Amino acid sequence: EAGVAQSPRYKIIEKRQSVAFWCNPISGHATLYWYQQILGQGPKLLIQFQNNGVVDDSQLPKDRFSAERLKGVDSTLKIQPAKLEDSAVYLCASSPFARGPYEQYFGPGTRLTVT
Amino acid sequence: SQELEQSPQSLIVQEGKNLTINCTSSKTLYGLYWYKQKYGEGLIFLMMLQKGGEEKSHEKITAKLDEKKQQSSLHITASQPSHAGIYLCGADMGAGGTSYGKLTFGQGTILTVHP
Repeated sequence: EAGVAQSPRYKIIEKRQSVAFWCNPISGHATLYWYQQILGQGPKLLIQFQNNGVVDDSQLPKDRFSAERLKGVDSTLKIQPAKLEDSAVYLCASSPFARGPYEQYFGPGTRLTVT
Repeated sequence: SQELEQSPQSLIVQEGKNLTINCTSSKTLYGLYWYKQKYGEGLIFLMMLQKGGEEKSHEKITAKLDEKKQQSSLHITASQPSHAGIYLCGADMGAGGTSYGKLTFGQGTILTVHP
């Protein structure tokens, strides 16, 4: 089966610009996650969707970050405006169910550099 | 302080040597997941442990979860250059037998294997 797809793979923008990332989860997976991984650290959960509803966005900086999952399939994560500290790899993951014990399948990530 | 501590932060070994990576939580966990990450890529699932005292093996990699479900170790026997990468433990911090449905990751262990 096809894995989690993400695009773009790399993005370089200047601070105060806007950027959007796209994720297509594994077919049939109800739960979708966005993580931020800063260099040298483990991934940090930004937002979790169950179908097209938000389950947890407690660590999403809502003044500049937004995410949506239309029709409970694809998802986009947007940053507006970007700051230097947003430079990181943004990982999308999906899982068949909202609660464990189920593996989360990760996409290849989008590496964002803010200059 | 980190909810999940991994040690060591980095490890350099000679091919053929055995090694162990540790992951410690201050709380009892619902489940513990081990992932491997190559630089610039997404996370690859290795193993999941849910029961106290559980041990799982895949090829030359063995993971254990202690009886209290607060500590896990990942052991690689006869390491090879293909084992090089970043190893991440992710914990489902759910308590009372209920999953939180999200993972908290350690900071990762960078493994280098010299031929």
